[in-house]
Amino acid sequence: QQQVKQSPQSLIVQKGGISIINCAYENTAFDYFPWYQQFPGKGPALLIAIRPDVSEKKEGRFTISFNKSAKQFSLHIMDSQPGDSATYFCAASEDTGKLIFGQGTTLQVKP
Amino acid sequence: DAGITQSPRHKVTETGTPVTLRCHQTENHRYMYWYRQDPGHGLRLIHYSYGVKDTDKGEVSDGYSVSRSKTEDFLLTLESATSSQTSVYFCAIRQGGKGPFSTDTQYFGPGTRLTVL
Repeated sequence: QQQVKQSPQSLIVQKGGISIINCAYENTAFDYFPWYQQFPGKGPALLIAIRPDVSEKKEGRFTISFNKSAKQFSLHIMDSQPGDSATYFCAASEDTGKLIFGQGTTLQVKP
Repeated sequence: DAGITQSPRHKVTETGTPVTLRCHQTENHRYMYWYRQDPGHGLRLIHYSYGVKDTDKGEVSDGYSVSRSKTEDFLLTLESATSSQTSVYFCAIRQGGKGPFSTDTQYFGPGTRLTVL
């Protein structure tokens, strides 16, 4: 049972474009929604995170949009750069801190 | 990197042999986690620890055991490795935030690539 579903599996964007990755969850007890970025050969690194009491959080070029009623959240990367090329994972957790990850999205930003 | 190291970084072993992976942290964090990463599955929690000698199962714990005798070390053991356990294994620690809008960030180690032949 996949509690967090992520799409698309892969994404190609031109430099300067907007990258959008979507996630949907089922468990309404989830209260923490982080996004992780992973480069080849490295561990995932926290990019940005949100709690369900806000609908949007922005940090630089990265924005999380959160729709509690639809049980969906998304990552927007504005002005995408080749250095953003990586695998992105959404995740969700309850207060136990156990993260449930989406399947991952491989992003390629073309120069 | 939150002071997390994993050893070994790469290991090739044969089916049926025992394997132990080590996660070491230097910052006295209470919570530690073991995940495995496989294509198409993201990262899946194997076991986690919420203190010395306090551990619990994750979603894919069959075939794995863990031990935590010291705050800084969290060991993952495959009692009898199988080919289905070929994967990249990540250790993570959890830092608690401060204030009403804190987030509980998990920091990941560099990973161990395990191949079971």
